[in-house]
Amino acid sequence: GAGVSQSPSNKVTEKGKDVELRCDPISGHTALYWYRQSLGQGLEFLIYFQGNSAPDKSGLPSDRFSAERTGGSVSTLTIQRTQQEDSAVYLCASSYLTSGSRRYEQYFGPGTRLTVT
Amino acid sequence: GEDVEQSLFLSVREGDSSVINCTYTDSSSTYLYWYKQEPGAGLQLLTYIFSNMDMKQDQRLTVLLNKKDKHLSLRIADTQTGDSAIYFCAETPNDYKLSFGAGTTVTVRA
Repeated sequence: GAGVSQSPSNKVTEKGKDVELRCDPISGHTALYWYRQSLGQGLEFLIYFQGNSAPDKSGLPSDRFSAERTGGSVSTLTIQRTQQEDSAVYLCASSYLTSGSRRYEQYFGPGTRLTVT
Repeated sequence: GEDVEQSLFLSVREGDSSVINCTYTDSSSTYLYWYKQEPGAGLQLLTYIFSNMDMKQDQRLTVLLNKKDKHLSLRIADTQTGDSAIYFCAETPNDYKLSFGAGTTVTVRA
């Protein structure tokens, strides 16, 4: 079966522009997560979608960041008016949302490397 | 990652055992994880341990958990060149949000 896929793999944008990053979770996984990996901050949680419930957005660093998940599957992370400090690798993960240990297995995509010039 | 601490570097000879150590702070973490990241790749889930266990073995990997000291370790037996990567320890302070350490870069030398 296919793993988590993300697109684009690399994105270079100018400061001030908006960007959209896409994540396709593993089929059947109803929980979806976004993380950010940067040199200065390491790996940080951004947002969590759990089935049809309201997402946990507590990790989003500013109101320039938003995410949505359509149809319980594909998710898009949008960064408006990008800044140089937004440069990082954005990682998406998915998991089951059931009882038992499988819900705790988060599987990651290859990431999108964002560079803001 | 400030609540999870790992040493930054480990160099090991091919064929030897590697031991990567991690300390965490949240005693309520249900599961503790080890992820592997190779250059230019995403995170690969290696193994995880339930907090009421003290050891888990999976082929060449052995995870030891000392809950009293909040210490987690990953032992890789018979380390190979393909084991060269960054290894991240992670805890789950609120049941789903992974909190990662800074990662340990393991270099395997011939």
